[in-house]
Amino acid sequence: GAVVSQHPSWVICKSGTSVKIECRSLDFQATTMFWYRQFPKQSLMLMATSNEGSKATYEQGVEKDKFLINHASLTLSTLTVTSAHPEDSSFYICSAIVGFLQLSSYNEQFFGPGTRLTVL
Amino acid sequence: GIQVEQSPPDLILQEGANSTLRCNFSDSVNNLQWFHQNPWGQLINLFYIPSGTKQNGRLSATTVATERYSLLYISSSQTTDSGVYFCAVIPHSGGGADGLTFGKGTHLIIQP
Repeated sequence: GAVVSQHPSWVICKSGTSVKIECRSLDFQATTMFWYRQFPKQSLMLMATSNEGSKATYEQGVEKDKFLINHASLTLSTLTVTSAHPEDSSFYICSAIVGFLQLSSYNEQFFGPGTRLTVL
Repeated sequence: GIQVEQSPPDLILQEGANSTLRCNFSDSVNNLQWFHQNPWGQLINLFYIPSGTKQNGRLSATTVATERYSLLYISSSQTTDSGVYFCAVIPHSGGGADGLTFGKGTHLIIQP
């Protein structure tokens, strides 16, 4: 259980175009999902928290107009990188929590396989 | 914000050896997770362990919450254990459904 998928697994695009990345919880409903970014040989950095039915919460320094997040259903969150530039090239990873307060591990996060974005 | 420090940053061992990875954190936490990131980038959940001790096969973990550290033990290492091990936490001061703060990881190489 607690499987998270991402699509696409990799994408190459031209500078100035927009790219949409999907994150799905396959066997559970996720009211909260998270988006992280990882540069080569570095750690993961939280970009934003995505809550179903409400606006995303962005971390300091993350441009909300550049990284659009939509959490339209309990199983899907999308990240759109708008007007992508080479510096946006990175590994983007989403995670989700099951979130049942009855569980002692209610805030355990499960991660998708990631999306490698290359902007030319 | 909370600081997470992992040590050692790099570790090279022979197959069959045991290892201990450490994670220190600067504030009390309500979530601590250990992950193994494989060569394709997938984060594999190893332990959810904000306190106490757990074991899963050759791996075990202990978190001493009062002293703000966690240890990951790998016994009888295999080449497939190679990769980066991350510790990540959520501080008590935040909400339970906050994002994780990651350490910089320990890069483990197991040589045959």
